[in-house]
Amino acid sequence: EVQLVESGGGLVQPGGSLTLSCAASGFTFSDYWMSWVRQAPGKGLEWVANIKQDGGKEYYVDSVKGRFTISRDNARNSLYLQMNSLRAEDTAVYYCARGQGDSGWNYFDCWGQGTLVTVSS
Amino acid sequence: DIVMTQSPDSLAVSLGERATINCKSSQSVLYSSNKKNYLAWYQQKPGQPPKLLIYWASARESGVPDRFSGSGSGTDFTLTISSLQAEDVAVYYCQQYYSSPPSFTFGPGTKVDIK
Repeated sequence: EVQLVESGGGLVQPGGSLTLSCAASGFTFSDYWMSWVRQAPGKGLEWVANIKQDGGKEYYVDSVKGRFTISRDNARNSLYLQMNSLRAEDTAVYYCARGQGDSGWNYFDCWGQGTLVTVSS
Repeated sequence: DIVMTQSPDSLAVSLGERATINCKSSQSVLYSSNKKNYLAWYQQKPGQPPKLLIYWASARESGVPDRFSGSGSGTDFTLTISSLQAEDVAVYYCQQYYSSPPSFTFGPGTKVDIK
């Protein structure tokens, strides 16, 4: 069974940092582009970043460029999101998602249950 | 950036009736070289992650009931639920994956309820 399990969310102060993790199982992790997608409370979906199979390419939504870094460890079947300089507007449930489609141009066929990040003083 | 809009914001449909959701992109998501529309549809129920329903605008994901269908091309797309079931109550999102470099955007969502 394909499974994605996020962890690492929590309460952090504005300006603080947090690292999210996503553990993948049930598929060959190194074969897929992977993404982070977030959803603010009661709001819609926002794609955050994606990363190529070998970690050689990364793309970000403009609002997180320079603050967030996506990475992966294929030996550990894990995806990460390092979040720095956090702002109140980064408060959201963060989902790990598997990419399908045309190279880095992805739709998402498998999602984790999400981890909640709250940025507040 | 490609902006996605959806209509209506919400709709209530009787059980067994048809539900139609529209999605419009601010520019075409049809890639001329492969004739594919880079458009997907998702269903999200309360407290759950999104679930992929449709990709390439009209390809149904494995395991998705055939009452769900996608159509459209270029900038205008439709998700149709041919006979609404109680378990279809959810918010539905469209997503473009055409932008280059990759930057994917979702529509604001359409809430579907039972009338």
